[in-house]
Amino acid sequence: ETGVTQTPRHLVMGMTNKKSLKCEQHLGHNAMYWYKQSAKKPLELMFVYNFKEQTENNSVPSRFSPECPNSSHLFLHLHTLQPEDSALYLCASSHRDGYQPQHFGDGTRLSIL
Amino acid sequence: DQQVKQNSPSLSVQEGRISILNCDYTNSMFDYFLWYKKYPAEGPTFLISISSIKDKNEDGRFTVFLNKSAKHLSLHIVPSQPGDSAVYFCAASYGGSQGNLIFGKGTKLSVKP
Repeated sequence: ETGVTQTPRHLVMGMTNKKSLKCEQHLGHNAMYWYKQSAKKPLELMFVYNFKEQTENNSVPSRFSPECPNSSHLFLHLHTLQPEDSALYLCASSHRDGYQPQHFGDGTRLSIL
Repeated sequence: DQQVKQNSPSLSVQEGRISILNCDYTNSMFDYFLWYKKYPAEGPTFLISISSIKDKNEDGRFTVFLNKSAKHLSLHIVPSQPGDSAVYFCAASYGGSQGNLIFGKGTKLSVKP
């Protein structure tokens, strides 16, 4: 079983839909991260959770709502998204907040119609 | 403004030769640097890292060089293999190995047989 698993791998949704992205890590890590990668742009950090507590919100619009029920699971709840939110969303984990290296999942490719 | 820059979007190298991927940074507070490799449809995979107290770190065919005065680092792959064909991301953090990562846009390496 891979270390960091993301589901779904692909998601197409309309601007009025509500959906959630899921991330699960099997590495015993205590920190989890959400990143966004848009075309021709670097990976951008969105949120950081350390021991289930949010430690970083990188000025992300409120239409993205993270949830971390425990150190192994991380969700990104999506609602009323815009076309410019179409991107690859990557989850990562590390031993603790900011500890390197981070281990990444394979991402969810999100398309907003 | 990008703090981590990979100015070459792509690089093509013959199998068996050396691949040199470059990365420049602007923030002198960065003190820990990492390289990640990404295959299509997969998440980034950690490759090698270097702390600012060193100027070289080697792991098998991969060597990272750091020139702090020039704010420049490079990844050398010797000898290059077709399986090395991927996108390589440079990332930097401050706070030693315990900071959030700032990524470059990536360089796509193609190793031709």
